[in-house]
Amino acid sequence: TQLLEQSPQFLSIQEGENLTVYCNSSSVFSSLQWYRQEPGEGPVLLVTVVTGGEVKKLKRLTFQFGDARKDSSLHITAAQPGDTGLYLCAGEAGGSYIPTFGRGTSLIVHP
Amino acid sequence: NAGVTQTPKFQVLKTGQSMTLQCAQDMNHNSMYWYRQDPGMGLRLIYYSASEGTTDKGEVPNGYNVSRLNKREFSLRLESAAPSQTSVYFCASRSGGNYNEQFFGPGTRLTVL
Repeated sequence: TQLLEQSPQFLSIQEGENLTVYCNSSSVFSSLQWYRQEPGEGPVLLVTVVTGGEVKKLKRLTFQFGDARKDSSLHITAAQPGDTGLYLCAGEAGGSYIPTFGRGTSLIVHP
Repeated sequence: NAGVTQTPKFQVLKTGQSMTLQCAQDMNHNSMYWYRQDPGMGLRLIYYSASEGTTDKGEVPNGYNVSRLNKREFSLRLESAAPSQTSVYFCASRSGGNYNEQFFGPGTRLTVL
């Protein structure tokens, strides 16, 4: 069974602070997705990373895939209240129809 | 495009009652999924359908059945609801690309008394 461990589980910060969320596994993934879920809604895809060492930026969000494709991080610069939500990572082993989801990091950004 | 739609949005059942959760997608995706989300447990896969005409069990299939009615629709049935099935249920479809990018519906919040 492939597992994805996310840390921290909870994060409560002030507007303007920076933060990093981690997603770690002992398994190698062919691709990894990050999703954000707002209260009362379904997860929404933010990004997919596929190459070891890859860095992708989405405005103030920076996503990195580890060189060995076993881990990933999400860094948010100057967090805003609109960033509040549950951040989920999901990994896919090559050829599988079934993603492995982490349990998520719940982020609250206070104004 | 509506994406992935789910009905109902909220439901309260009594123990032993049955119900069907409906899901439809208009993105022409082949694969569809049903998950449940519980506090601290993340998303757990109940059943999935890799393509029209096929269904397979996921991590937590007990107490549920599914029907892939056609390419667009994938329903989840609770034959005899139990309090342990109180949860938020999400349907998702998978894009046709090389990566497992999933598109989720808004969810159904189910309470079983």
